[in-house]
Amino acid sequence: GQQVMQIPQYQHVQEGEDFTTYCNSSTTLSNIQWYKQRPGGHPVFLIQLVKSGEVKKQKRLTFQFGEAKKNSSLHITATQTTDVGTYFCAGRTGTASKLTFGTGTRLQVTL
Amino acid sequence: DAGVTQSPTHLIKTRGQHVTLRCSPISGHKSVSWYQQVLGQGPQFIFQYYEKEERGRGNFPDRFSARQFPNYSSELNVNALLLGDSALYLCASSGTSGSEQYFGPGTRLTVT
Repeated sequence: GQQVMQIPQYQHVQEGEDFTTYCNSSTTLSNIQWYKQRPGGHPVFLIQLVKSGEVKKQKRLTFQFGEAKKNSSLHITATQTTDVGTYFCAGRTGTASKLTFGTGTRLQVTL
Repeated sequence: DAGVTQSPTHLIKTRGQHVTLRCSPISGHKSVSWYQQVLGQGPQFIFQYYEKEERGRGNFPDRFSARQFPNYSSELNVNALLLGDSALYLCASSGTSGSEQYFGPGTRLTVT
């Protein structure tokens, strides 16, 4: 079945440093979504990418969808303590309704 | 507007028992999906319902079933509970079956 892996599993940075998480799918995706889950909370939708090679920015966050639509990345510039949480990518294949979540990257930010 | 609501928030059950979890989507959303999230892992897709019809099913045993009502609320039922069913059960609603998901706070199920 489809697998979606993320690296790293965990990253600890100091406030102000940059952070990147990478997402790799075993199959070609029709679209990819990114979610953030704070400790003890539920996933919150961040963005959806659909087109091959697409790049979208949200303030300090930059999202990319690979040319082959099998990988994606999330880059955070100048992290803040409010960025703490686990970041998940989630992808769909074809017209399937099933959303497959990645393994997640837990980000810890300290002062 | 209210977000996705789920009930109960916490539940403790014994092995072999049955459980029903409930979800109310955001007003106007016709799609509801259910996910199981084990501690330290990503959510695993269980079911999606759109306009009261099942649109997708994940790799879960037949002990898991769900339905969606005319008001678009949904129930997830799990029979013959196993210890491994202990998890956070998340409900998510969306306007269409392929758009972004809005998650509820989840139901924490503990099976002893």
